[in-house]
Amino acid sequence: DTEVTQTPKHLVMGMTNKKSLKCEQHMGHRAMYWYKQKAKKPPELMFVYSYEKLSINESVPSRFSPECPNSSLLNLHLHALQPEDSALYLCASSQPRGSGRDTDTQYFGPGTRLTVL
Amino acid sequence: AQTVTQSQPEMSVQEAETVTLSCTYDTSESDYYLFWYKQPPSRQMILVIRQEAYKQQNATENRFSVNFQKAAKSFSLKISDSQLGDAAMYFCAYGYSGGGADGLTFGKGTHLIIQP
Repeated sequence: DTEVTQTPKHLVMGMTNKKSLKCEQHMGHRAMYWYKQKAKKPPELMFVYSYEKLSINESVPSRFSPECPNSSLLNLHLHALQPEDSALYLCASSQPRGSGRDTDTQYFGPGTRLTVL
Repeated sequence: AQTVTQSQPEMSVQEAETVTLSCTYDTSESDYYLFWYKQPPSRQMILVIRQEAYKQQNATENRFSVNFQKAAKSFSLKISDSQLGDAAMYFCAYGYSGGGADGLTFGKGTHLIIQP
């Protein structure tokens, strides 16, 4: 099973709202990722969690706050977003390096399409 | 920093024919992975094929195969017997495997159109 799930599928929020995106995987992966993808552009890395610890933050504004409560879950908390933050937010997961087969292959969820009004 | 270049913004091919998508990359590392992902209009990012840099043998997955030229830093994708379901945006991606977990660096993508 190579499934990564994301909820909600669509989200519309105002600039003063607080909302959260959720990502879940049950493949035993210990690395999880958030990417942002604007229309007709490639995904851009935002955050990386490795063994539930934040290992990479690509200079993302503080209005985006990631959280990894356990090895299967990854959240992205949103607060005071701007209209330019409207995009598809993709979650991915991968096997830990050195675990053998399929290491480093990232499997993506279907994404959350976010619109900020 | 690593870069990935896809020089073909759009390609068109007749159904059942073969098409090759180009990708070049730049890195100073010797240990890395390369991927092709497919993103149909649903925008789900689907793994097509994976290549480990230390392996000389080109990866294949059914109708999909790659031509990996490490010295030239080239990684092209060949799709044989093209099908209507192959229509999508195709992204070439680079992943460094030196330590820990790293994000992928993507090319700008090639939009593949399949003509019936």
